[in-house]
Amino acid sequence: EVQLVQSGAEVKKPGESVKISCKASGYKFTDYWIGWVRLMPGKGLEWMAIIHPSDSDTRYSPSFQGQVTISADKSNSAAYLQWSSLKSSDTAMYYCARLMGSGNIIWFDPWGQGTPVTVSS
Amino acid sequence: SYVLTQPPSVSVAPGQTAKITCGGNNIGDKSVHWYQHKPGQAPVLVVYEDSDRPSGIPERFSGSNSDNTATLSISRVEAGDEAGYYCQVWDSTSDQPVFGGGTKLTVL
Repeated sequence: EVQLVQSGAEVKKPGESVKISCKASGYKFTDYWIGWVRLMPGKGLEWMAIIHPSDSDTRYSPSFQGQVTISADKSNSAAYLQWSSLKSSDTAMYYCARLMGSGNIIWFDPWGQGTPVTVSS
Repeated sequence: SYVLTQPPSVSVAPGQTAKITCGGNNIGDKSVHWYQHKPGQAPVLVVYEDSDRPSGIPERFSGSNSDNTATLSISRVEAGDEAGYYCQVWDSTSDQPVFGGGTKLTVL
């Protein structure tokens, strides 16, 4: 069974750093792009960044470029999302998801269970 | 960048058919995918490539896509279908995924 299991909830203060993880199992990790999606209270899903674990080719949404860093560890079949200096506006639920398809026909499946990040002083 | 427009909310009585639309410029030329999201749970793919269903998704879920509107239809709606639904495409111009704003389905 293909599964993405994310790390637990994080509670941080503004200015702190954090790195959340997404561990994949049930498929060859290096064969698929994997990405992160944000869900803020009262808002919709927002794509943040994707990475191909085979060569760490990365792409960022313009909205998140420079704000977060995506990475992957082939040896651990895990993808990561990190912030170097959190803001209160980063408070949200973050999901990882595997990308399926090819060319211009690409969708997300499956999804991780989500990691809530709370940033508050 | 490419924009997908969904109605914020749709209400339907149990047993009826819910139709959730996703508007975009010539969206019929793109492949549309739909996700169901219940609070506290991971989003779930319910339709991909306009009208295909992943294994385990009931036949009650179906999709169509033409011209400027894609539609997710849920027949014989049940209380358990109450959730947020999001459409998604891949924008070839910007080479990135795009999500619609989401539609909250309420079962009356």
